[in-house]
Amino acid sequence: SQTIHQWPATLVQPVGSPLSLECTVEGTSNPNLYWYRQAAGRGLQLLFYSVGIGQISSEVPQNLSASRPQDRQFILSSKKLLLSDSGFYLCAWRPRTGGNTEAFFGQGTRLTVV
Amino acid sequence: GQNIDQPTEMTATEGAIVQINCTYQTSGFNGLFWYQQHAGEAPTFLSYNVLDGLEEKGRFSSFLSRSKGYSYLLLKELQMKDSASYLCAVRDGGFQKLVFGTGTRLLVSP
Repeated sequence: SQTIHQWPATLVQPVGSPLSLECTVEGTSNPNLYWYRQAAGRGLQLLFYSVGIGQISSEVPQNLSASRPQDRQFILSSKKLLLSDSGFYLCAWRPRTGGNTEAFFGQGTRLTVV
Repeated sequence: GQNIDQPTEMTATEGAIVQINCTYQTSGFNGLFWYQQHAGEAPTFLSYNVLDGLEEKGRFSSFLSRSKGYSYLLLKELQMKDSASYLCAVRDGGFQKLVFGTGTRLLVSP
């Protein structure tokens, strides 16, 4: 069966510090991968998605970046965090083919920038 | 681009029926998903519609009208545990994107 791992679960970082959140998927190959951010009481904002190794599409201009160094690994980074980067970050995957397959989410990382 | 709208908040009583609406405008459409999210947790999948009509799954049903860019989630026999946020998401088939609406926070009271 497929599983998705996301870590860390919680993170408190000072303004201006770097960020690296990692997400890995097991039990499948060639998945579509997504990073979302959710502000308190709000919906999910799509940040990045990837359809293959090294292929990253950015949805919202910001000081975050994403990379996909391996087929089942998706990393969210920042060189210098801002207060506005605080939020709940969710990684998700779904199969490349099969229109009726839903996205499966990791448990999320709650980031607080102080 | 995509624009997906939902009501921000709804309240209902235990045992009642509630309908949560979602309207969307997308450049490409290849399916609409409904998710449930309890506070502080990851979203979990509820339903999927790609053709017009109603899909029923136990107490939950979801409806789609592609010509109107409209969907709703119907929750019957509400239970306290149904208090959560409900997220509508549209898949843009051409670009493999899955874009979410703002979510509707449902509060079920006794």
